[in-house]
Amino acid sequence: GQQLNQSPQSMFIQEGEDVSMNCTSSSIFNTWLWYKQDPGEGPVLLIALYKAGELTSNGRLTAQFGITRKDSFLNISASIPSDVGIYFCAGDPIRNYGGSQGNLIFGKGTKLSVKP
Amino acid sequence: DGGITQSPKYLFRKEGQNVTLSCEQNLNHDAMYWYRQDPGQGLRLIYYSQIVNDFQKGDIAEGYSVSREKKESFPLTVTSAQKNPTAFYLCASWTYTGELFFGEGSRLTVL
Repeated sequence: GQQLNQSPQSMFIQEGEDVSMNCTSSSIFNTWLWYKQDPGEGPVLLIALYKAGELTSNGRLTAQFGITRKDSFLNISASIPSDVGIYFCAGDPIRNYGGSQGNLIFGKGTKLSVKP
Repeated sequence: DGGITQSPKYLFRKEGQNVTLSCEQNLNHDAMYWYRQDPGQGLRLIYYSQIVNDFQKGDIAEGYSVSREKKESFPLTVTSAQKNPTAFYLCASWTYTGELFFGEGSRLTVL
């Protein structure tokens, strides 16, 4: 089946540092989504990407939709303690019939820890 | 405010019991989903529904059942046939612009 490879699995950084994580796949995607999940809570959508090459920012977060449509990255600049959590990517793959059912493929997440 | 409401937040079940998790959305979304989340694993799709009175099995549907009698509601029943039901369950709804929004989750523990 289709899979997303998300890396790194975990990161332990100093407050103020920049963070970068990425997702790759052997499949082509229509859409890339990035989420943040706090312990015991539902994932919150951070950024949605719709076109190859698209670069989108949300505050200190920046994400890009890879040109090949098979990858995406998320950067967090000047990390702060509240950035702690699990970040994961999700992709909406192109399907044979051309449509989309919203059945996303998910990465396994990057656990971010920030040291004050 | 618009959103997805899951209840209960925490649920305990004895072995052999069926339990039902509620999911309600007021976003006017047609498509709704149930996912299971286990530590260290990605989200796994249990069931989804594209429209009222219709639903499809996901990757791990065995031991679960759903209904979609109203657009706003998509309850999930965890039956006694589900051998390892302890997990965090997430309900979501999807916009046709390609965004998936999640509820706050329900944690089920089998005693």
